Amino acid sequence: GAVVSQHPSRVICKSGTSVKIECRSLDFQATTMFWYRQFPKQSLMLMATSNEGSKATYEQGVEKDKFLINHASLTLSTLTVTSAHPEDSSFYICSARDGEGGQPQHFGDGTRLSIL
Amino acid sequence: GESVGLHLPTLSVQEGDNSIINCAYSNSASDYFIWYKQESGKGPQFIIDIRSNMDKRQGQRVTVLLNKTVKHLSLQIAATQPGDSAVYFCAGTPGGYQKVTFGTGTKLQVIP
Repeated sequence: GAVVSQHPSRVICKSGTSVKIECRSLDFQATTMFWYRQFPKQSLMLMATSNEGSKATYEQGVEKDKFLINHASLTLSTLTVTSAHPEDSSFYICSARDGEGGQPQHFGDGTRLSIL
Repeated sequence: GESVGLHLPTLSVQEGDNSIINCAYSNSASDYFIWYKQESGKGPQFIIDIRSNMDKRQGQRVTVLLNKTVKHLSLQIAATQPGDSAVYFCAGTPGGYQKVTFGTGTKLQVIP
C-alpha cells in the first residue's frame, strides 16, 4: 500500500518551456503532498507543501510564481516549472502522507528535469 | 536554523557484516524521526521510523536507536546484503509533524 506515482520520470526540453509534473497517490487519499528538489549527491530540499483545496505553502527562497503548485484533488498534485532555464535542471520528487502527522511520507520515484 | 545531519558521507561494509549509520540532530523539539533509503535515480523508500517517546525500534534486519540526551539517531542493518547499497537519509520533524527535514545522507557500499 501507500504508493505514490510521479510522471513523467524524465523530461528534456528547451529553455523557456514550461513543464508540468504530476504526483498521484494511488491507493490512499492525501490531503497534504510535498515537493522536493534534489541536486546530485545532495539531500532533498523541501520546496513547498501542497494542501488539497488551498494554496501551497512555499519554503523560503522558493519562487511561487516560478514553481506553480496545484492540489485539486485528494490524489493529485501538480508542479509546473514555468519558463524553465538550465539552472532549474534538477531531480524533483513529490511525497504524500497517508493520514495526519506522525506518519511517514511516501515518495514518488522523481522526475529528472533537464533544460537545454 | 534546524539541521539534521550525518557523521559519515560514505560507509563501506563487507557483505554479511552489520552496518551502523549515524545521525545527529540539533532541535530537541523534534518529535518524529524516519530513516529512508534512496537508490540511484529513485525516490526515497521508507525503512523505519521512531517517535521521541521511544529509544529503540526494530524491523526486519533493521533497528533504529534514538538517544535524546545527546540528540543522536542511528540505523543498524544486520547481515548487510548487496541490495542494501544505497544512500541512507535520516529525517526529522523539527517543525512539528507537518514538515520533515532531511539530513545530508550516507552512502552505504556493500563489498561482496
